[in-house]
Amino acid sequence: EADIYQTPRYLVIGTGKKITLECSQTMGHDKMYWYQQDPGMELHLIHYSYGVNSTEKGDLSSESTVSRIRTEHFPLTLESARPSHTSQYLCASSTQGARTEAFFGQGTRLTVV
Amino acid sequence: AQSVSQHNHHVILSEAASLELGCNYSYGGTVNLFWYVQYPGQHLQLLLKYFSGDPLVKGIKGFEAEFIKSKFSFNLRKPSVQWSDTAEYFCAVTWDYGQNFVFGPGTRLSVLP
Repeated sequence: EADIYQTPRYLVIGTGKKITLECSQTMGHDKMYWYQQDPGMELHLIHYSYGVNSTEKGDLSSESTVSRIRTEHFPLTLESARPSHTSQYLCASSTQGARTEAFFGQGTRLTVV
Repeated sequence: AQSVSQHNHHVILSEAASLELGCNYSYGGTVNLFWYVQYPGQHLQLLLKYFSGDPLVKGIKGFEAEFIKSKFSFNLRKPSVQWSDTAEYFCAVTWDYGQNFVFGPGTRLSVLP
């Protein structure tokens, strides 16, 4: 069982609100990721981190920001939520390198009304 | 940019039927290959992975996949599916020069009892 946790699982919020999606892992992994996934669609990488104080933008442009102050914690923040942000957000972690598997959290399903 | 394609968007099978899901990736050097499964309401889980060696790899729950380098393919197979195999299946690739995971669009499998 993967030890990577996301909260909340579901969130309905009004337009213009600031939100933070939490992601924590207890595996000591250096690399962490945020993916956006619409229902029945592929995963799009929006942010990743190689370790503490490292944050990188992914392939899909996103208005969200991330921080990595501690190895185990990689929160994602939306300063002003919009309906176009409605989606599922998946957090994952892995060791460094290409020959490693990613472990995923349960996801946060965000709805902005 | 590197890409991963999956042949079928939605596959519908009866129990005990054989399964093959296609996955192709773009050329980019040495690859590492993964199949993930997402059961309804659950997190993405690793089914199997290939880094090197025997191109026929066995995973959990009776799944296997074959790496065919000349065809840039990594097809997933199962000889006899069960209703509990109903899920979304994602092929993913990393390239040894260090790119992040690239996921295919996913194939939804529905197994009829």
